[in-house]
Amino acid sequence: GAGVSQSPSNKVTEKGKDVELRCDPISGHTALYWYRQSLGQGLEFLIYFQGNSAPDKSGLPSDRFSAERTGGSVSTLTIQRTQQEDSAVYLCASSATANTEAFFGQGTRLTVV
Amino acid sequence: RKEVEQDPGPFNVPEGATVAFNCTYSNSASQSFFWYRQDCRKEPKLLMSVYSSGNEDGRFTAQLNRASQYISLLIRDSKLSDSATYLCVVTKRYTGNQFYFGTGTSLTVIP
Repeated sequence: GAGVSQSPSNKVTEKGKDVELRCDPISGHTALYWYRQSLGQGLEFLIYFQGNSAPDKSGLPSDRFSAERTGGSVSTLTIQRTQQEDSAVYLCASSATANTEAFFGQGTRLTVV
Repeated sequence: RKEVEQDPGPFNVPEGATVAFNCTYSNSASQSFFWYRQDCRKEPKLLMSVYSSGNEDGRFTAQLNRASQYISLLIRDSKLSDSATYLCVVTKRYTGNQFYFGTGTSLTVIP
């Protein structure tokens, strides 16, 4: 079956523009995570969705960042008024349930110029 | 205190060597434990789950010590292809995010 799919693979945007990153989780997975990873750094948690529960947004770095998950499936991470420090790889992962192993997409490499 | 702590390394070992990584976690209520592998500029991939009784997958052995709150990964007969960053992951029962990643241990296997 298909794994986690993210699009686009690469995105170059101008400072101040808004961007949308998409994640298509594994079918049937109830948990979905967004992380970002700067070059040479560890994974930074951003947001977590679990079923119909309210998302855990505790990792979002500023109010320029938001995410939604429609119909318990596809998720979109939106960054408004992008800044250069937003440049990173944005990784999405899904797991069948909470506490089970998570599977990652290939990531979206965002470059803000 | 961080939820999960790992020695970042780097570990540079010759081919055929045995190498071990440890990872400590802070919350005794932690439930599930995993090792992930991340190659340069790639996404993390699940290497193996870690069970209370310890488990082995080929050259890889994972162990859990709940009393001391650490997990370990042993790699025997290292191959060049084992060069990567190894991430330990701990989950705990919580209504929010439940996955906690260590910062990773870098391994380079030298010919």
